[in-house]
Amino acid sequence: SAVISQKPSRDICQRGTSLTIQCQVDSQVTMMFWYRQQPGQSLTLIATANQGSEATYESGFVIDKFPISRPNLTFSTLTVSNMSPEDSSIYLCSAEPGQGYEQYFGPGTRLTVT
Amino acid sequence: DQQVKQNSPSLSVQEGRISILNCDYTNSMFDYFLWYKKYPAEGPTFLISISSIKDKNEDGRFTVFLNKSAKHLSLHIVPSQPGDSAVYFCAASAGDDKIIFGKGTRLHILP
Repeated sequence: SAVISQKPSRDICQRGTSLTIQCQVDSQVTMMFWYRQQPGQSLTLIATANQGSEATYESGFVIDKFPISRPNLTFSTLTVSNMSPEDSSIYLCSAEPGQGYEQYFGPGTRLTVT
Repeated sequence: DQQVKQNSPSLSVQEGRISILNCDYTNSMFDYFLWYKKYPAEGPTFLISISSIKDKNEDGRFTVFLNKSAKHLSLHIVPSQPGDSAVYFCAASAGDDKIIFGKGTRLHILP
């Protein structure tokens, strides 16, 4: 398994600003992912954070809005850019240690945009 | 288009009885299935998984059953305990490291 921490745990931001969320894993992992969970909804994959290369984005998500960095095998950041109230959500980071398809999740970042 | 469906938003079960959470899927390419449990203000916690080559996997009080022909899986919790009150997510993977989640079922264990 993997233990994952995220910072910040929550934030309230004004529209038009950007927030960077950090994700730290306690061991080296190949695969890291970023998800969004809107109120009452499922977890939706935003992108796969690839170490040493650009992130792979899912349909409906673009790099300009959600730039992702993955500088090494234990750390990744997600930036939510030019925020609007529709970006209010919980953002979750996960890692797949590689023994199966199980992903382990951080505690999430609750973002409110006013 | 929802590929993983959890049609019951909530379920209430008496403590000590069996909890059965259901999940249906539409994508025939899914070959690995997972259940996650989520408490408020926490990230989802991996619970149990099953490969499509099996029809049952058991881990303590938790058993997952897979019916490939019906594209249906279920999670059984026996006996149910107060700490089992949480949201349970069914998820599936087509072997490409991506996981598709259902919307979740909120389980209430009644004293």
